[in-house]
Amino acid sequence: GAVVSQHPSRVICKSGTSVKIECRSLDFQATTMFWYRQFPKQSLMLMATSNEGSKATYEQGVEKDKFLINHASLTLSTLTVTSAHPEDSSFYICSAITGGNEKLFFGSGTQLSVL
Amino acid sequence: QKEVEQDPGPLSVPEGAIVSLNCTYSNSAFQYFMWYRQYSRKGPELLMYTYSSGNKEDGRFTAQVDKSSKYISLFIRDSQPSDSATYLCAATGGGNKLTFGTGTQLKVEL
Repeated sequence: GAVVSQHPSRVICKSGTSVKIECRSLDFQATTMFWYRQFPKQSLMLMATSNEGSKATYEQGVEKDKFLINHASLTLSTLTVTSAHPEDSSFYICSAITGGNEKLFFGSGTQLSVL
Repeated sequence: QKEVEQDPGPLSVPEGAIVSLNCTYSNSAFQYFMWYRQYSRKGPELLMYTYSSGNKEDGRFTAQVDKSSKYISLFIRDSQPSDSATYLCAATGGGNKLTFGTGTQLKVEL
């Protein structure tokens, strides 16, 4: 299957700081990437759809000014959690879709802990 | 009502058992169905991908879709301790947005 690399895998930061998470498609070009959030023992919650060269589309209830998404190239999307607070602590996962089908491949996830 | 319902478990089985994991869905527009395996604190890994109704087999895994009853299943034969993980079903009607179940936690014991 296609490879999606996500970095960092774990980050601990102080409240009020910003954290950037990178998502790269290693062996394919991804015009669309997705960012999910997952709380313990819960399913994936789609936060936003990241489109190369255009603004991201955010799901209802997700603050676009807090979760900044940039998809500057066909292989890289970044999620920046701005002014992080303890309630932002969660597992963030990116994914990318290959070609024109619905096969979605995920990164390894980033565990964010805000102190 | 959630669009995709899945029993969260946990489900515990002995090694070698046949495991049956199931989901139901409510959206008739769903055409594509997937099963993902997720180990703790890792990203989900695509296991099976099925279009419309029918069966699909890959090694010890069989995915089954019954659109008439809006029921999807994943069977794992000869289960191994390494199969212990959370299994997520997902569906979409086309396009890129998937709807996930909550995941079923499976534990295969020695």
